[in-house]
Order: sequence, then structure tokens, then C-alpha cells
Amino acid sequence: DAGVIQSPRHEVTEMGQEVTLRCKPISGHNSLFWYRQTMMRGLELLIYFNNNVPIDDSGMPEDRFSAKMPNASFSTLKIQPSEPRDSAVYFCASSFLRGAEYTGELFFGEGSRLTVL
Amino acid sequence: AQRVTQPEKLLSVFKGAPVELKCNYSYSGSPELFWYVQYSRQRLQLLLRHISRESIKGFTADLNKGETSFHLKKPFAQEEDSAMYYCALSGGTGGTSYGKLTFGQGTILTVHP
Repeated sequence: DAGVIQSPRHEVTEMGQEVTLRCKPISGHNSLFWYRQTMMRGLELLIYFNNNVPIDDSGMPEDRFSAKMPNASFSTLKIQPSEPRDSAVYFCASSFLRGAEYTGELFFGEGSRLTVL
Repeated sequence: AQRVTQPEKLLSVFKGAPVELKCNYSYSGSPELFWYVQYSRQRLQLLLRHISRESIKGFTADLNKGETSFHLKKPFAQEEDSAMYYCALSGGTGGTSYGKLTFGQGTILTVHP
């Protein structure tokens, strides 16, 4: 298994443009997480899904951010319109959550580095 | 609410010296605590979890519920330990926070030769 796959790895865009980040979780995992990493705030949870259903989106900064998980093997995080303060590394992670089998281990992708000019 | 605090953004030690990365948490229930590590040009990965009571790469961490802390320690630091370290908390398998993993701000550890 190639692990969690994220694309694009790097994205440079101009303020006001739409940005779409993509994630393919590990096959068989039933939970998917989107995190944002910045020097100031560290690793912030934006949203997470369990069995393709959004469970907690309280970390999504504002209406400009949206995330979808149409099926078990794909998720997107969209920013529209983008702003310079959205510049960060966005990580996707997946895990298998089921009762007592929960280990707390998330498997992370390599991240998507977003720069908004 | 779940909250994790890592008071040190940067920590520098010399090779062979003891190292302690601090982590404090806030959670009303019974938390599960973890340490994650991100080495240069590698993915963020799990280092250890408190429930396993294990030592990984010479690192240990003890959950102190009285002080709500989960500090990461190693008696003799090595250069290859240089990395970003994140402390993380989970509310476990119960309630609406099921599976939710909250991370601290991270500490960059540099071990000098």
C-alpha cells in the first residue's frame, strides 16, 4: 500500500482563486482527517469523517472552506476564494476506528503545501 | 473541549544529554495520549502511546493525571532524534469526540553533535 496519497504536493495561487486539495486514504480505513499545519498554530484539525460522514467540522475556519468525501477512497478540501492567510501545509490522514480496536494511530499523507500570493 | 499545550516551540540539546519535551493537556474525561514525530522529509508518524507503556527509540512518556501532563523523555539524546514532535490527545472511543485527535503546537528538537 502506498499509504495516504495527497495531491497536489505544492500549489501556488493568487488571492481569490479556488483551490482544491485531494486525498486518497489507505484502503480499508474508515476515517479521514484534514489538518492544517502552520508555524504559529501547529497542527489544527479542520474536519474529520467517519464512514464518509462528516463528524466534526468545528475546526473549519470559515465558509470559504468546504470538504467532501463522496466515497471511501476519496476526499477533497476546497478553499474558495483563497486568501494569503490560508498559506500552510494541509495534511490528510486516515485511520480505522471501530470500538475497542481503536489504536489512535493516524496515517498521514505527505501534505500539500499551499501558497496564496 | 480537548486541548493540548506544548510550551516550547524550540528545544536544543547536545548529543548524549537528557531531553524532555513537555506536554500538558485539558480534557474532562479519560484521555488517551500520544506522541507523534516528523523527521525531515518524512511523514508525520506515531512514536508512542501512553496506553502501551512502551519505550520507542529510547523515548518514554508517563501520563500524570494529577498534573495533566504527558512529557516525553530520553536519557541520552542522539543526533537522529532531531525532528518535530507533536503531543496529541484523543477522547477515546466514546461520545461525539470518537476518534478525534487533537495535537499540540509542536516542539522542534535539535540535537547538536
